Amino acid sequence: NAGVTQTPKFQVLKTGQSMTLQCAQDMNHEYMSWYRQDPGMGLRLIHYSVGAGITDQGEVPNGYNVSRSTTEDFPLRLLSAAPSQTSVYFCASSYSITRDYTFGSGTRLTVV
Amino acid sequence: GNSVTQMEGPVTLSEEAFLTINCTYTATGYPSLFWYVQYPGEGLQLLLKATKADDKGSNKGFEATYRKETTSFHLEKGSVQVSDSAVYFCALKNNQGGKLIFGQGTELSVKP
Repeated sequence: NAGVTQTPKFQVLKTGQSMTLQCAQDMNHEYMSWYRQDPGMGLRLIHYSVGAGITDQGEVPNGYNVSRSTTEDFPLRLLSAAPSQTSVYFCASSYSITRDYTFGSGTRLTVV
Repeated sequence: GNSVTQMEGPVTLSEEAFLTINCTYTATGYPSLFWYVQYPGEGLQLLLKATKADDKGSNKGFEATYRKETTSFHLEKGSVQVSDSAVYFCALKNNQGGKLIFGQGTELSVKP
């Protein structure tokens, strides 16, 4: 089924470990973005990309890196995990900035 | 800057009660406005949207009207069901930037 696929669904990390959250879409969407969801704060934009090779920072980019080597994939990297990065992470994509977003089902990350 | 403010939750209603979830926004220009719904354990789904002043978005019995004079986009439903229990997010998108800005979310619980 066409859509946005996020892996893994759940992950527990120790402080200081690194990992990559994967996001892939098969809808040929140019626009992709990463959000984190925290209680009482809604969803906050971490990084976004308007096309392959182009990325930019959102509202809360510190501690996260992204790259966009293909249209389909937009991985989010945590280089040295911290407890403050415990959250639910959502990837979203859109055909263009004026079109509706499609969200993935999320990755629940716990940093201990 | 752009921002969205929602009424705080949780909101608990009995089945068939009338629902209103307030949403106000601050934005430059003429943003598009959205309501997203998140069912337990799932990602976000677009519930309805409005792209210009006085537009009414509707879906699944939910409605919201884009009120530029009061900078509001309140969500309403005449008769809620247990299956409407979810978290509801109000959001805006300025089409110059394409970024979705979310409110903090309102949890709705409907009791039989």
